[in-house]
Amino acid sequence: DGGITQSPKYLFRKEGQNVTLSCEQNLNHDAMYWYRQDPGQGLRLIYYSQIVNDFQKGDIAEGYSVSREKKESFPLTVTSAQKNPTAFYLCASSGREGQGKIHEQYFGPGTRLTVT
Amino acid sequence: DAKTTQPPSMDCAEGRAANLPCNHSTISGNEYVYWYRQIHSQGPQYIIHGLKNNETNEMASLIITEDRKSSTLILPHATLRDTAVYYCIVRVARNSGNTPLVFGKGTRLSVIA
Repeated sequence: DGGITQSPKYLFRKEGQNVTLSCEQNLNHDAMYWYRQDPGQGLRLIYYSQIVNDFQKGDIAEGYSVSREKKESFPLTVTSAQKNPTAFYLCASSGREGQGKIHEQYFGPGTRLTVT
Repeated sequence: DAKTTQPPSMDCAEGRAANLPCNHSTISGNEYVYWYRQIHSQGPQYIIHGLKNNETNEMASLIITEDRKSSTLILPHATLRDTAVYYCIVRVARNSGNTPLVFGKGTRLSVIA
């Protein structure tokens, strides 16, 4: 089945530690995105990448870093500089013409990160 | 991207039509209207999109006013599984690549038995 996988579903870390969230897609999509969601709030964009080896900051990039070395993978690192890292993190992808439906953004199941 | 305004919550009786409104008064001529929904603790799911004309698919119908300043998502026969947060988003869709979706707080729809 084609789709987006995020692992793990739940992640617990101690304050001061960096943590990397995994996102993999087998949809052959060029673009990938990371969003953060806090309780009762909408999704906020952290980083996005429209092509391999290129990425742009979203609205709340401070304290986060990403890489895009492969088309299929877009890992997100939550660094110790992120002041409130506890949140629900969602990865998504979308394609251009010829890569499926360009109007649809496909989301993974999310990773719930708790930092204490 | 233009911003949207949605009511924070709505209730709907099971089996009845759910009509979710959205205002997007500053929408540009090349911006589409998209609807996504998010069931609790899951990733958002695409529902439907439109530019000018009304659209219908197996999940819902989208009615866009003639001046494009507002739209309504219609779930014709709501079920308990339609309970979710519904997001109305406007965005330019470019063939050369996609721009990120910008989410507001959406409308929390509760379908009641």
